[in-house]
Amino acid sequence: EPEVTQTPSHQVTQMGQEVILRCVPISNHLYFYWYRQILGQKVEFLVSFYNNEISEKSEIFDDQFSVERPDGSNFTLKIRSTKLEDSAMYFCASSEDSPSSYEQYFGPGTRLTVT
Amino acid sequence: LAKTTQPISMDSYEGQEVNITCSHNNIATNDYITWYQQFPSQGPRFIIQGYKTKVTNEVASLFIPADRKSSTLSLPRVSLSDTAVYYCLVGDYNTGGFKTIFGAGTRLFVKA
Repeated sequence: EPEVTQTPSHQVTQMGQEVILRCVPISNHLYFYWYRQILGQKVEFLVSFYNNEISEKSEIFDDQFSVERPDGSNFTLKIRSTKLEDSAMYFCASSEDSPSSYEQYFGPGTRLTVT
Repeated sequence: LAKTTQPISMDSYEGQEVNITCSHNNIATNDYITWYQQFPSQGPRFIIQGYKTKVTNEVASLFIPADRKSSTLSLPRVSLSDTAVYYCLVGDYNTGGFKTIFGAGTRLFVKA
């Protein structure tokens, strides 16, 4: 069964550093998403991406965040200058281009720890 | 996006049927109802989706009354491995945005 993969599984960084979280969505999917989940809290939408541009973004997704699809397979989330409060689990997801199927497939997540 | 309300937690025993109800009084005409399951330290996993009446798959059933202001996820004969957080989501995904808002979810504890 096809699956979304994410690397690394755990990233430790110092406050103020830039991090790039990487995701490989399912190959025939056209919608891509990033979510975060702070420990013990709910899953929070960050951004959706379609046709090489951002479709929707939340208020969390401010100027320190950016997303990119640098090639035909990877989807990345960059955090320019990390803060302690960016420590969370970051999930990538993808879905088909079909209004009859809203199922999003989530990756295993990257645990980001900012020290 | 319609706001959803679910119980914070539920307890059950192995072998029982579990019904989790979600309220979405402001659901719009084009909105679909989707349920996800999340285990600790894992990404959410799609369970079921519906628009109206009843939908059933190999994992669960989804009951939606005619007014669509609520929905009930039914898990038949739960096992210990069904202990997880269950999220009800409501949204119109035809805008191309797919802005998916998760609520707090319902923590289901299945006991032996």
